[in-house]
Amino acid sequence: SAVISQKPSRDICQRGTSLTIQCQVDSQVTMMFWYRQQPGQSLTLIATANQGSEATYESGFVIDKFPISRPNLTFSTLTVSNMSPEDSSIYLCSVTDRLPETQYFGPGTRLLVL
Amino acid sequence: QKEVEQDPGPLSVPEGAIVSLNCTYSNSAFQYFMWYRQYSRKGPELLMYTYSSGNKEDGRFTAQVDKSSKYISLFIRDSQPSDSATYLCATPAEKLTFGTGTRLTIIP
Repeated sequence: SAVISQKPSRDICQRGTSLTIQCQVDSQVTMMFWYRQQPGQSLTLIATANQGSEATYESGFVIDKFPISRPNLTFSTLTVSNMSPEDSSIYLCSVTDRLPETQYFGPGTRLLVL
Repeated sequence: QKEVEQDPGPLSVPEGAIVSLNCTYSNSAFQYFMWYRQYSRKGPELLMYTYSSGNKEDGRFTAQVDKSSKYISLFIRDSQPSDSATYLCATPAEKLTFGTGTRLTIIP
């Protein structure tokens, strides 16, 4: 399975600011995803990061709030814009390997917004 | 109705016990099921992957799918303190859909 790293691993931010989270994979992968996991809850898909085109966002998530880049097959970024305390969460990237139904996750970025 | 439902627990059992973790799903068309394990402050890791009905065994772990009742289970034999984690079931509906996760603690 792919090895996935995320930066930063955690951050504390002030409301109104923005944070960009990086996801790096050690091999080329077709699909990359960004999830949010709020305290005590399961994973919610934010968007699918498409290489060479705009990300595909899930209901309730918009590009202005969560802009995503995918410049190549091994790297993606998620920006959390104009943050509020409600954005405090763990943000995870994931990738698919050979089986499209199976996803592998990065270690996550723990974000606290004050 | 949620596509995948899971008892959030928490569940505490003594070391060495057999653990049973369960999920139900709503759509009989679902055929692939996964179990993920998530340690505290870590991302989920794929534990087991099953297709259709029946059992799949991997060491101390057994995944079971009962399509007639739309019920999936994960059994852990000879449970160890290192098994303490949150376990999430998942199935690829229109997108990969997760249960809420069951927090498991194995007491030494």
